[in-house]
Amino acid sequence: EAGVAQSPRYKIIEKRQSVAFWCNPISGHATLYWYQQILGQGPKLLIQFQNNGVVDDSQLPKDRFSAERLKGVDSTLKIQPAKLEDSAVYLCASSSVKSGAAANYGYTFGSGTRLTVV
Amino acid sequence: DAKTTQPTSMDCAEGRAANLPCNHSTISGNEYVYWYRQIHSQGPQYIIHGLKNNETNEMASLIITEDRKSSTLILPHATLRDTAVYYCIARRITSNTGKLIFGQGTTLQVKP
Repeated sequence: EAGVAQSPRYKIIEKRQSVAFWCNPISGHATLYWYQQILGQGPKLLIQFQNNGVVDDSQLPKDRFSAERLKGVDSTLKIQPAKLEDSAVYLCASSSVKSGAAANYGYTFGSGTRLTVV
Repeated sequence: DAKTTQPTSMDCAEGRAANLPCNHSTISGNEYVYWYRQIHSQGPQYIIHGLKNNETNEMASLIITEDRKSSTLILPHATLRDTAVYYCIARRITSNTGKLIFGQGTTLQVKP
């Protein structure tokens, strides 16, 4: 099966500019996650979608970050305007098991988009 | 979900077993122990998970103590390609969100 696709792989922007990242999850995976990973730290969950609805966005800085998952498939994460501290790798993951079920949720991560804000 | 504690870094000789410890003293009865690893410039990769019993798959073995307060991930014959950051995560099986909460992890360096 194809993996989680993310693009672009790398992006460099100036502060106060806007940027968007795209994620295509594994076919049939209902749950999609966006994580932010700052250098030297573990990934931090930003938002979780179940189909096209938001399940958890408590850690998303909503004044500048937004995300959508139209039609419950692809997803886009946007930052507007970007700050220096947004420099990080943005990881997308998808899962085939509905929230609340037991055992392995089958998380599969993409390779991420490395954002550098200068 | 319970907090986990791992050593910041470890070294292992190539071909030897790598034993990565994890402390989860506040784990509750319905929380699984998950292990993921992240190789440089890649997304995290699932390794193994368990609740009470020891588990083994083609990648690794997971040993969970009887009181479930700690566990050890074992890579039986470490190779250079096993150099990565290893994350131990305690995750509630009835969590409404099913999310994975990552800590700092252990950086394993496999040396020739």
